[in-house]
Amino acid sequence: GESVGLHLPTLSVQEGDNSIINCAYSNSASDYFIWYKQESGKGPQFIIDIRSNMDKRQGQRVTVLLNKTVKHLSLQIAATQPGDSAVYFCAENGETSGSRLTFGEGTQLTVNP
Amino acid sequence: NAGVMQNPRHLVRRRGQEARLRCSPMKGHSHVYWYRQLPEEGLKFMVYLQKENIIDESGMPKERFSAEFPKEGPSILRIQQVVRGDSAAYFCASSPPVVYGEQFFGPGTRLTVL
Repeated sequence: GESVGLHLPTLSVQEGDNSIINCAYSNSASDYFIWYKQESGKGPQFIIDIRSNMDKRQGQRVTVLLNKTVKHLSLQIAATQPGDSAVYFCAENGETSGSRLTFGEGTQLTVNP
Repeated sequence: NAGVMQNPRHLVRRRGQEARLRCSPMKGHSHVYWYRQLPEEGLKFMVYLQKENIIDESGMPKERFSAEFPKEGPSILRIQQVVRGDSAAYFCASSPPVVYGEQFFGPGTRLTVL
């Protein structure tokens, strides 16, 4: 049969607005979660991380929220800038799942000037 | 402090040829990971290596793919008899010797099979 390519979820915001990107994970044993930013033609770049014993962590303009009950992770970007336009991935690993990172599907963020 | 280095950045091969992708981890990092990314998809784990040891190869295709991380020199991901479906971006990441945590990614090698 004919194969269909996957399309990333997209989020389009105006410059200066706040952005919220969501991610659902499947492994309840994961201990560590990371958000990566990937610009076109480049490798993933670390943004922020959080361990499973926390539910919130803040960085510069970014906040990560972890809800272990529903296995949900979110990334909040304050005052979004055009340079924030990229694909954002959540990733997880842990002591029982091993060192390998398991990536979510990614969200394409577009910031309109 | 140089980051993770990968070369070549772009590689074009014809079907049936071999592809060799190289990765030099960050200084002080002894763990290397290879991931593959198809267009508009997330990264998929392939293999995890430490010096002279393959720790986890659960994501590697059973045939044609192999990886090594020798005592001296870069880690090598080798794809024999490439097919068009091997066309993808291949990323290497490295980490310090911890059980789990952040991994630092290289710029990737984009393989195109004609």
